[in-house]
Amino acid sequence: DAGVIQSPRHEVTEMGQEVTLRCKPISGHNSLFWYRQTMMRGLELLIYFNNNVPIDDSGMPEDRFSAKMPNASFSTLKIQPSEPRDSAVYFCASSELAGATETQYFGPGTRLLVL
Amino acid sequence: AQSVAQPEDQVNVAEGNPLTVKCTYSVSGNPYLFWYVQYPNRGLQFLLKYITGDNLVKGSYGFEAEFNKSQTSFHLKKPSALVSDSALYFCAVRDPRRGARQLTFGSGTQLTVLP
Repeated sequence: DAGVIQSPRHEVTEMGQEVTLRCKPISGHNSLFWYRQTMMRGLELLIYFNNNVPIDDSGMPEDRFSAKMPNASFSTLKIQPSEPRDSAVYFCASSELAGATETQYFGPGTRLLVL
Repeated sequence: AQSVAQPEDQVNVAEGNPLTVKCTYSVSGNPYLFWYVQYPNRGLQFLLKYITGDNLVKGSYGFEAEFNKSQTSFHLKKPSALVSDSALYFCAVRDPRRGARQLTFGSGTQLTVLP
């Protein structure tokens, strides 16, 4: 299995630009999670989906952030407009919807730098 | 609310010596506990988890962790450290009673194994 795939791996953009991060979960997994990692705040859950439906988006920082999961094999996290404080590593993780004991598997992350 | 504490930002150990990375948690009920490892510029990699049963859990790469309910701890251990074990280690908890499926991560412990 290829594991969770994220693209791009690195993104450098200017403040005010739109940024789209992409994720392909492990085949057969029906839960998907978006996390953000920074030195100051550590790992934070932004949003998660079960069967393509957003369940909890309470971690999304503000309206500039949006996430979609149009089908079981693809999800996007969009930031519009981007700001320098959005610079972080964004991880996607997936798991089987098997109750609370299931394990989340992480992608390699997208390192975002907003200038 | 559930929380995790990793009291040591940095742990140094000589190759061949035993290592311990500490983790304590706070949840209302019986926790589900996880350890992940992150190598530089990589995503988080699952090591092991405790759900129920034997308090000593064995995981990948020779790691193990001991669940101690009275001390609310879940320390990660390895009998003989390797230089290749040098990485960032995260403890995470989920409270199954809450019904939510997101993990709460600790702040991470940087393990350095010295040759």
